[in-house]
Amino acid sequence: DTAVSQTPKYLVTQMGNDKSIKCEQNLGHDTMYWYKQDSKKFLKIMFSYNNKELIINETVPNRFSPKSPDKAHLNLHINSLELGDSAVYFCASSQLGDTQYFGPGTRLTVL
Amino acid sequence: GIQVEQSPPDLILQEGANSTLRCNFSDSVNNLQWFHQNPWGQLINLFYIPSGTKQNGRLSATTVATERYSLLYISSSQTTDSGVYFCALGDYQLIWGAGTKLIIKP
Repeated sequence: DTAVSQTPKYLVTQMGNDKSIKCEQNLGHDTMYWYKQDSKKFLKIMFSYNNKELIINETVPNRFSPKSPDKAHLNLHINSLELGDSAVYFCASSQLGDTQYFGPGTRLTVL
Repeated sequence: GIQVEQSPPDLILQEGANSTLRCNFSDSVNNLQWFHQNPWGQLINLFYIPSGTKQNGRLSATTVATERYSLLYISSSQTTDSGVYFCALGDYQLIWGAGTKLIIKP
């Protein structure tokens, strides 16, 4: 009965590849988020969707493209991976403006 | 934009000790949350506390919005309390502090 799930948990890939991370929530929330946590543990919002509509789109390279097929899913696709993309990516969900619940994270390593 | 500062950056305590973590912010907001990131990386929401005081077991939090700070209290620390504690605030977009790294020694 996992509330927010992400797959895969670990992702190791070569520079230049394209990869996707999937996120699903079963909490009935209307808002989902993608965060990036760097090696110094600093967390930064990347995107947020509310009812499948993009509401937050921070300054991230356009190689990153979120897709929300429905309210329960928010996937992150990354093209042409670079070394600097290595980080832990967290998905989260909430009712808009309310407590956020996080997935377990996906550790991306670009070689 | 909103600035969020947490102190101390690091804290090492013996099991059983009490601790107070502080979060200062630069602008009034409606939404402040405290999170714990355990040593395995999982982020767990502790409190949603835009104002007032809340308690959950050995943990409690107080936010004084008019003075732009929030405090997280941990009493009778256990080794499982180790990890990084973050405060984050905002309306639609959370702005995160840099965290307080807490190590509880047995």
